[in-house]
Amino acid sequence: DSGVTQTPKHLITATGQRVTLRCSPRSGDLSVYWYQQSLDQGLQFLIQYYNGEERAKGNILERFSAQQFPDLHSELNLSSLELGDSALYFCASSVREPTDTQYFGPGTRLTVL
Amino acid sequence: AQKVTQAQTEISVVEKEDVTLDCVYETRDTTYYLFWYKQPPSGELVFLIRRNSFDEQNEISGRYSWNFQKSTSSFNFTITASQVVDSAVYFCALSVGFGNEKLTFGTGTRLTIIP
Repeated sequence: DSGVTQTPKHLITATGQRVTLRCSPRSGDLSVYWYQQSLDQGLQFLIQYYNGEERAKGNILERFSAQQFPDLHSELNLSSLELGDSALYFCASSVREPTDTQYFGPGTRLTVL
Repeated sequence: AQKVTQAQTEISVVEKEDVTLDCVYETRDTTYYLFWYKQPPSGELVFLIRRNSFDEQNEISGRYSWNFQKSTSSFNFTITASQVVDSAVYFCALSVGFGNEKLTFGTGTRLTIIP
C-alpha cells in the first residue's frame, strides 16, 4: 500500500458525459501528478500540482482539467468523454520535487461506452 | 526530449530461472533519475528503485539487482531465482534535471514466470 488513495476504483459511463476522479496523496506529500495508461499510448503524464498550484502540463486534452485543494487532495475532471478516453488513470504523489520518488495510487479504471 | 526504450515486450521463464529486463534511456541532461516500477495483475504501480545519474553503483535488494551503466545509457534489472509472484509488467522510467516534473516511461516488459 503506497498510501495514495484514489476513488472510485472503477467508473463506467457514456460518451459525452463528465466524470471526476479523486486522489488523496500520502500524508506530507505536497506534489500530486496525474497519469493516463492506455493500450495505445502507454503511460503518459497529464499534469502536476504542487501545494495547490499547477506546476507542469503534459499531454492533457483541453477537455480535461484538474485542481488541488487546500487539503492537498486533487481531482481530475474529464468532460465530453469519448471512447478513446477509456483508460487507467493514476495519481501519484511525492514530497516536494519530481526528483523525489513518485508513489502511485491504485488507479481508476474508466470505461466509456 | 527524453526517451526510455524497453525492447523486450514479453518474457517467459520457468520458475527459479534468472531473468534480466533491459532498459535503455536517452537524455541530454547530465542530472537525471531512473526508476523501475512493477505493475502486477491487480493493476497498481509499485515503486522498486530510484537511481540518480551521479551514482553508478549497482544495487542489490534480495533477489533483485540493478545494473546502471552510463556508458551504454542502460539501467537493467535482474531477478534471481524467479518466483511466480514476480509475474507482472515492469516499467523503467526517467525524470531529468531539476524542475522537470514528469516521469517518462518505457513501454514495459511483461514478465511471466511459469511454475
